[in-house]
This record gives sequence, C-alpha cells and structure tokens, in this order.
Amino acid sequence: RKEVEQDPGPFNVPEGATVAFNCTYSNSASQSFFWYRQDCRKEPKLLMSVYSSGNEDGRFTAQLNRASQYISLLIRDSKLSDSATYLCVVNIPGAAGNKLTFGGGTRVLVKP
Amino acid sequence: NAGVTQTPKFQVLKTGQSMTLQCAQDMNHNSMYWYRQDPGMGLRLIYYSASEGTTDKGEVPNGYNVSRLNKREFSLRLESAAPSQTSVYFCASSDPQGFILAGELFFGEGSRLTVL
Repeated sequence: RKEVEQDPGPFNVPEGATVAFNCTYSNSASQSFFWYRQDCRKEPKLLMSVYSSGNEDGRFTAQLNRASQYISLLIRDSKLSDSATYLCVVNIPGAAGNKLTFGGGTRVLVKP
Repeated sequence: NAGVTQTPKFQVLKTGQSMTLQCAQDMNHNSMYWYRQDPGMGLRLIYYSASEGTTDKGEVPNGYNVSRLNKREFSLRLESAAPSQTSVYFCASSDPQGFILAGELFFGEGSRLTVL
C-alpha cells in the first residue's frame, strides 16, 4: 500500500460548481499535511497547509480527519484557472527522521 | 526573483552516458532536495540535504549521487544513465532546517531528461 494515495481523476467540473477530493495516508503518526498545486508542465507550488481544525483560504477549504486518516480539499465556485493537478503532501515520521511524501496527484479540469 | 534555478531544462542522453543536473537557490535556505516525477507516481525523493555538508538518501537513490557544494548549490549526478531514469527532475529548497517543520518547498522549473 502506498503511504499517500489520491484518486488520479480527472474530475471534470462545470465552472462555478464545487468539487472535493480526498487524500489518504497510511501512517497514523503523521503530523503535518499540505496541498500543493501543479499546473501542466510546471513545478508544484504550495496551495495551503492543513490544520487539525480545518482551514479556509478564499474558495479553498482543507480538512483533516485523523480517525480515518485522510485529508480533503474543497474548491467552491470553481474557476477555469483552477484547472490543475492537486498534490497531497504528508510529513511521515521514520527511522531517519521525518520526510515529506507526495501523493500521485488529483487532476481537476474546470470547463465552461 | 530567481528563487531556485536548475539546469539544464532539457537533456537527451544515451544509455551509459553520465551527466550532472545543477541546482542553485538564492533564498539562503538550509535544506535542498532532488525529486523525480513520473506519470501517476507523484514526486519521489531521490536525495536531500538538510544543511550544508550533509546529504541523505531518499526513497529512490539508486543510480544517483549528489553533492552539496555550498549552501546555495546542490547537484545531482547520473553516473551511467538508464532508460528507467527518463523522468522530470525537480530541485527544491526549504527553510527552516530539516523536514520536521518544512512544509513549503520552493521548486525549480524542472529538468526533462530522456535516456535512449
């Protein structure tokens, strides 16, 4: 089983709609979580950190469910510019220290 | 604002050839990383350097070597390239030191390597 797993999609979303997707992680000792955004043929960029209480940044809401070991990202009022691949990143503790581990990404396509 | 600069952006190699990917950051970050990205696999850590003078293996280090030349520069070397090393390579840096608190990674634009 992969340490961090995501539905690869694509999620086809009408402009203005809401889309949500999850990321599951296998190590219950993981402490910190992040969402990155990657545009086609570009480098990833940090979208937002995920806090235990959940957090919101404009149209984006991130949630953490420790009991079920997943994080989620919800995008409201989708814009065409939201089309991208969203990468889940989990800080996983290990014998050699903590490491940031990336999921395979969820592709989102927002269409007019 | 340069941020993280990596070269070359594109490279085609023949099996068995060697090459070095260069990476430099101007943000005074302590930690630097090399990742590779393959379709559907996400980014996998090859090597990282938590601080100047130290390097450690990541998830997929076989076939690669690294050098942390100074605080700014972190290079990745393929001694004998194989087709399985065809990938997109990203260099990244972060601060504060180490992975524990590191959440924001700053990436270079990527190097697309094809090994024939």
